[in-house]
Amino acid sequence: DAGITQSPRHKVTETGTPVTLRCHQTENHRYMYWYRQDPGHGLRLIHYSYGVKDTDKGEVSDGYSVSRSKTEDFLLTLESATSSQTSVYFCAISEGLGDGTQYFGPGTRLLVL
Amino acid sequence: QQQVKQSPQSLIVQKGGISIINCAYENTAFDYFPWYQQFPGKGPALLIAIRPDVSEKKEGRFTISFNKSAKQFSLHIMDSQPGDSATYFCAASKDRGGATNKLIFGTGTLLAVQP
Repeated sequence: DAGITQSPRHKVTETGTPVTLRCHQTENHRYMYWYRQDPGHGLRLIHYSYGVKDTDKGEVSDGYSVSRSKTEDFLLTLESATSSQTSVYFCAISEGLGDGTQYFGPGTRLLVL
Repeated sequence: QQQVKQSPQSLIVQKGGISIINCAYENTAFDYFPWYQQFPGKGPALLIAIRPDVSEKKEGRFTISFNKSAKQFSLHIMDSQPGDSATYFCAASKDRGGATNKLIFGTGTLLAVQP
């Protein structure tokens, strides 16, 4: 998985609790992304980062926030988890310039009860 | 305008047959069209990608056909094998993989190759 780890890999939480997912890369790639994968929707971009402390919203950003204080780490926070946020979350990285390849992590399966 | 429509949702092919998955897009600014392969419990992995300056790209048994005027592109898997059984996603982005390369994904096709 191209030097990308995600933690935790599985999590069960209750509605209304905050949740933070971590993505860690060892590739020193500039760009990092958070996607969610749901049946019938494919993968949808939540937030992305184009450098340390530089982030922007994706297609489905409501209810999510991100932070990137170091090149290698990109955190996704669900401020107050809802059942609609039950999903599989994937982190991806890319070098960006001239190469469109995104490399995906192994995913985090989140269940919000 | 940002959507990428993918079909079929699922596909069953006999070993040795040809698997064909189709995608259509609307945004003419898209200039990069990758296909990703995903096995159960794993993240998607880039399989093959094409840019709109060519109509076809082949890598081994995998071929992308691109029709710019129709705004369609397709993945052909020749001599399909049971090991090809996976979910396939088409995607599109603009900016030639430059500044942000935000990918718009299709909804996926679950391919089952029967022995």
